[in-house]
Amino acid sequence: DAGVTQSPTHLIKTRGQQVTLRCSPKSGHDTVSWYQQALGQGPQFIFQYYEEEERQRGNFPDRFSGHQFPNYSSELNVNALLLGDSALYLCASSLVPRQETQYFGPGTRLLVL
Amino acid sequence: GDSVTQMEGPVTLSEEAFLTINCTYTATGYPSLFWYVQYPGEGLQLLLKATKADDKGSNKGFEATYRKETTSFHLEKGSVQVSDSAVYFCALSGDAGGTSYGKLTFGQGTILTVHP
Repeated sequence: DAGVTQSPTHLIKTRGQQVTLRCSPKSGHDTVSWYQQALGQGPQFIFQYYEEEERQRGNFPDRFSGHQFPNYSSELNVNALLLGDSALYLCASSLVPRQETQYFGPGTRLLVL
Repeated sequence: GDSVTQMEGPVTLSEEAFLTINCTYTATGYPSLFWYVQYPGEGLQLLLKATKADDKGSNKGFEATYRKETTSFHLEKGSVQVSDSAVYFCALSGDAGGTSYGKLTFGQGTILTVHP
């Protein structure tokens, strides 16, 4: 049973650039949530996708956008990167949008120089 | 809004010592409560959960009881091992009738180091 997978594992970008991160949910799951984890902090909710639509959003600017595909995989896009966007980006999946238990992937570590 | 507060760390223990990591929360209604663990270089793994007051979640020797009256969900283990060294996060998912249901709110994490 495949768990949540994310790509790439690491990424280095410069300020002002754009980045796309990818996530495949756990087999059988249809909902994907994205979190940002700054160094030494707990994860912060970015948004959640279900049925190819954004269902919930945290306190993140609209530089952060996403997409969900018919196969339930998802992308996180960040435009106009800032130094402060350097973090571990975690994808979590669940079955139905508001199920409590979320399963996390290994994350993508983004460094903005 | 919802919030989770964990005891300040890091916590350093000898093998076989008793572990307590405190967690308190602020939320309306009856949130679900979770403990996640993060090993070095990895994502988060669900350790245990409790969905209603007085429920006890348990897994791998770890336990936590949902205390509505004290808004707490403290993590305990009777005898820690070196392999338990990791970062532990307390989290909540809002009440099923609220807007934060299905969205996890995390504490800042507690680093646990266990020495042989």
